[in-house]
Amino acid sequence: QQQVKQSPQSLIVQKGGISIINCAYENTAFDYFPWYQQFPGKGPALLIAIRPDVSEKKEGRFTISFNKSAKQFSLHIMDSQPGDSATYFCAARNDGGGADGLTFGKGTHLIIQP
Amino acid sequence: DTGVSQDPRHKITKRGQNVTFRCDPISEHNRLYWYRQTLGQGPEFLTYFQNEAQLEKSRLLSDRFSAERPKGSFSTLEIQRTEQGDSAMYLCASSKSREQYFGPGTRLTVT
Repeated sequence: QQQVKQSPQSLIVQKGGISIINCAYENTAFDYFPWYQQFPGKGPALLIAIRPDVSEKKEGRFTISFNKSAKQFSLHIMDSQPGDSATYFCAARNDGGGADGLTFGKGTHLIIQP
Repeated sequence: DTGVSQDPRHKITKRGQNVTFRCDPISEHNRLYWYRQTLGQGPEFLTYFQNEAQLEKSRLLSDRFSAERPKGSFSTLEIQRTEQGDSAMYLCASSKSREQYFGPGTRLTVT
């Protein structure tokens, strides 16, 4: 059972455009939702994270939107740049339940065309 | 560099051999995690330490896998009698609160 579903699998965006990646979760006990960026041959790097008590969080060009009732959250990358080309993973965790491992989506391969 | 480090970065081994990987967490991070990532997939949680105590193990962690974190500092992950299905990137992460920071990973190839 895939607990975090991520879409699209791949995405091509023109330079300067907005990249949008979506995730949906099933486990209502999840209460911490980070996004990671991964370049080939590297480990995932934490980008931004949100908890369900807010509906939106913005850090620079990256914004997370969160819809608790729909059990969905998304990453928006504004003014997308070629250097943003990477694989992005959403993740979720039950922050207070003692189950400390993150559950990841399958990833979105993002290409920003110059 | 004060990030999470892993050694070796690449390991090629023959089926049936034992391998051991090392992870050095960020200084003062009391939590340490191991994940496995196969091509085209997201990382999958394997196990978690708080200080030297192993508090959680995924069902993915078969009897051939063992992890240790002596003295609550670095950690080792050992795979005994490797199988071709063990070929993957093994990632280590550390944290002192909810944010987990990953190392560069060890890529294992079993031939």
